[in-house]
Amino acid sequence: AQKITQTQPGMFVQEKEAVTLDCTYDTSDPSYGLFWYKQPSSGEMIFLIYQGSYDQQNATEGRYSLNFQKARKSANLVISASQLGDSAMYFCAMRDNFNKFYFGSGTKLNVKP
Amino acid sequence: GAVVSQHPSRVICKSGTSVKIECRSLDFQATTMFWYRQFPKQSLMLMATSNEGSKATYEQGVEKDKFLINHASLTLSTLTVTSAHPEDSSFYICSATRRKVKPYEQYFGPGTRLTVT
Repeated sequence: AQKITQTQPGMFVQEKEAVTLDCTYDTSDPSYGLFWYKQPSSGEMIFLIYQGSYDQQNATEGRYSLNFQKARKSANLVISASQLGDSAMYFCAMRDNFNKFYFGSGTKLNVKP
Repeated sequence: GAVVSQHPSRVICKSGTSVKIECRSLDFQATTMFWYRQFPKQSLMLMATSNEGSKATYEQGVEKDKFLINHASLTLSTLTVTSAHPEDSSFYICSATRRKVKPYEQYFGPGTRLTVT
């Protein structure tokens, strides 16, 4: 069964605007971690933000915030004030209780000037 | 800190030959290292999980005799693609988790692009 679902293959956003990238997950473990990674065309995976399943507050890292809705099993990434350099593939991932990571299919974000 | 390197970054080899890819954690000891494969415009697919000093655990559908993984130390894991064929051409990425510190985060290497001709 698919553990991580990203339903948006591609997204466009105007520079300086905010954008939300969707991610839903599936697990019966009480303890898990949710991650977002950015992959530019160079291929490197860049860690953006982390949310633990027991964390009460939504994680934030600079312009990135994670909208964590546990009951809905969603972990959407919000990028505020988009920049041209934000254009890349974005992957949502979940770490399970065995420290194994599952990645979504990715969302290609294009920031328009 | 928490830098992971991969070598080589790109490799082109002929069909039938073997290729070794190295993954090193430069400034930390890695509890576990992971090997992923990524086809163009697709997601990362976990191939195997490697713990220092023990045999790698391969995901279903990954041929362990074809993709040999050796985790010789807490800072080095190698992936050898044996008898490579054009369909093995892909982007291979390793990652590592830190020993005793933040075990919930993976640090990724920059990836190795393998082309088999």
